[in-house]
Amino acid sequence: EAGVAQSPRYKIIEKRQSVAFWCNPISGHATLYWYQQILGQGPKLLIQFQNNGVVDDSQLPKDRFSAERLKGVDSTLKIQPAKLEDSAVYLCASSSGGNPGEQYFGPGTRLTVT
Amino acid sequence: GQNIDQPTEMTATEGAIVQINCTYQTSGFNGLFWYQQHAGEAPTFLSYNVLDGLEEKGRFSSFLSRSKGYSYLLLKELQMKDSASYLCAVRPAGGYQKVTFGTGTKLQVIP
Repeated sequence: EAGVAQSPRYKIIEKRQSVAFWCNPISGHATLYWYQQILGQGPKLLIQFQNNGVVDDSQLPKDRFSAERLKGVDSTLKIQPAKLEDSAVYLCASSSGGNPGEQYFGPGTRLTVT
Repeated sequence: GQNIDQPTEMTATEGAIVQINCTYQTSGFNGLFWYQQHAGEAPTFLSYNVLDGLEEKGRFSSFLSRSKGYSYLLLKELQMKDSASYLCAVRPAGGYQKVTFGTGTKLQVIP
């Protein structure tokens, strides 16, 4: 079974530029999550999708971050414009919705904003 | 909201036993996860507790006390490869399978 795929693995941009990340979850997983993990901290949920609908985006900075999962499969997360404090690893995870519904994480995208 | 506390760092000796504690305060509770995260890698699932008691899985065990808002992860026969961060994550009551992660405990195993 293929795992969660993410691209790119690394990205360096200047502040005020835009960037997009892509995620393809495990086949059949209805729930998809985007997390931001700053060095030395735990993952912070940015947005959670159930199929192609958003179920939680309470911690997403909506003035600069956006995400979509149009066909209920793969997803993109965009930052526009980026700030220095956006430097972090962006993790995508998916879960099947069963019990206990553990999450499977992709390798992450390490973003550096200069 | 949720408040999750874990020690920041721990050091233990190869072959020994180490216990990593996690305390939490949540508005409703629907389960607790432990994940392992090696440096530069993604978290991987270790265990899930929803009822009080001890769940054993090989060298790793996880304990939960819902009345105390307390869990621990017990690692036996430590190996060098167990050096990693261990993340406690709580699922509040309600739907959608959302979890909130603690900041993690960085475990260093020394020879």
